[in-house]
Amino acid sequence: IAGITQAPTSQILAAGRRMTLRCTQDMRHNAMYWYRQDLGLGLRLIHYSNTAGTTGKGEVPDGYSVSRANTDDFPLTLASAVPSQTSVYFCASSPGPGVKLFFGSGTQLSVL
Amino acid sequence: DQQVKQNSPSLSVQEGRISILNCDYTNSMFDYFLWYKKYPAEGPTFLISISSIKDKNEDGRFTVFLNKSAKHLSLHIVPSQPGDSAVYFCAAVTPNTGNQFYFGTGTSLTVIP
Repeated sequence: IAGITQAPTSQILAAGRRMTLRCTQDMRHNAMYWYRQDLGLGLRLIHYSNTAGTTGKGEVPDGYSVSRANTDDFPLTLASAVPSQTSVYFCASSPGPGVKLFFGSGTQLSVL
Repeated sequence: DQQVKQNSPSLSVQEGRISILNCDYTNSMFDYFLWYKKYPAEGPTFLISISSIKDKNEDGRFTVFLNKSAKHLSLHIVPSQPGDSAVYFCAAVTPNTGNQFYFGTGTSLTVIP
């Protein structure tokens, strides 16, 4: 089934550890995004990529980095996790910038 | 600075009645608006959208209204069904912000059988 795959589904992480959340899409969408969902704050954009080889910062980029080596993959890395990064992370893609988003099922991350 | 706001965190409606979810925005340059529906432990799924050149878009039981002068949009669900119980997010986008989507904080809808 075509769509977006995120891994892991959930993770408990010790503060200070490095963690990479994986995201792969098979829809050949040009644009990809990482959001975090927090109670009372909705979905906030962390980083985005309008096309392979380019990335940009969203609303809350600090503490996160991304890469877009190819069309299908858009990993999100936390270099040194902190408890405030406890959240649900959603990867999304769209055929192009400004076109409706398709979301993955999310990664629940707890940083202790 | 929240550019898209949903001021009602929750809403309860009887089955068969109308559900009205509201959304306000501050950036007058937004030109495309969307509603997403989210069930627990799942990703948001697209529900309906509207371009700024329209004031209404209808898809089955779902209708979105846009009032540009008031910077307000609303989602009407008629008739409401228990399966509509979910969190609803509105979102807005404009080329002026790199085509980034801005989401509201969400409204949790409960449809009571």
